[in-house]
Amino acid sequence: DIQMTQSPSTLSASVGDRVTITCRASQSISSWLAWYQQKPGKAPKLLIYKASSLESGVPSRFSGSGSGTEFTLTISSLQPDDFATYYCQHHQGTFGQGTKLEIK
Amino acid sequence: EVQLVQSGAEVKKPGESLRISCKGSGYSFTSYWISWVRQMPGKGLEWMGRIDPSDSYTNYSPSFQGHVTISADKSISTAYLQWSSLKASDTAMYYCARHGRDDRQDAFDIWGQGTMVTVSS
Repeated sequence: DIQMTQSPSTLSASVGDRVTITCRASQSISSWLAWYQQKPGKAPKLLIYKASSLESGVPSRFSGSGSGTEFTLTISSLQPDDFATYYCQHHQGTFGQGTKLEIK
Repeated sequence: EVQLVQSGAEVKKPGESLRISCKGSGYSFTSYWISWVRQMPGKGLEWMGRIDPSDSYTNYSPSFQGHVTISADKSISTAYLQWSSLKASDTAMYYCARHGRDDRQDAFDIWGQGTMVTVSS
């Protein structure tokens, strides 16, 4: 089975900061990588699919990059609504362990 | 509106059986796979397995194979997750999610609201 590893587990940042979350796959997954945002008590929400494609309605401050085994999610200028937990996922199903983005 | 609507919260005793549901609407239910995802309290997302509603073909994560059963009734656009004998460790929120197609292939583009299952004596 393919394993997905995210880093960091927790990230403290301020409004306006640029932040990057990394996701590594245990073997090549081409570009089949998705990113989700989850807020407390809510279902996850798809942000990015196929590594770099922005889901409809998602603000352009979110971007994804990478291929093979190394991927990143970048938020260019943090907004108050962005403080949440972020998960990467191999399109076939396996999730990373999550990154909690906290207010510094 | 495309949506997945899940059944309500459940409180069960260890050893009891349970089936929870996920009803799709606003799209062709048989054209998209459905997955189930577990989230234990305070923990991350775990993919459990998936089903093709058109023919009920299923695929399970090794971690959940044999512990749960995923099924679907395409006539009522509903997928199910069931347990034959619950354990306290099954206490979690369970989400169903629709697999996207084309470039969104197998990314989970639509999610249900979640069903909380509590197993306690």
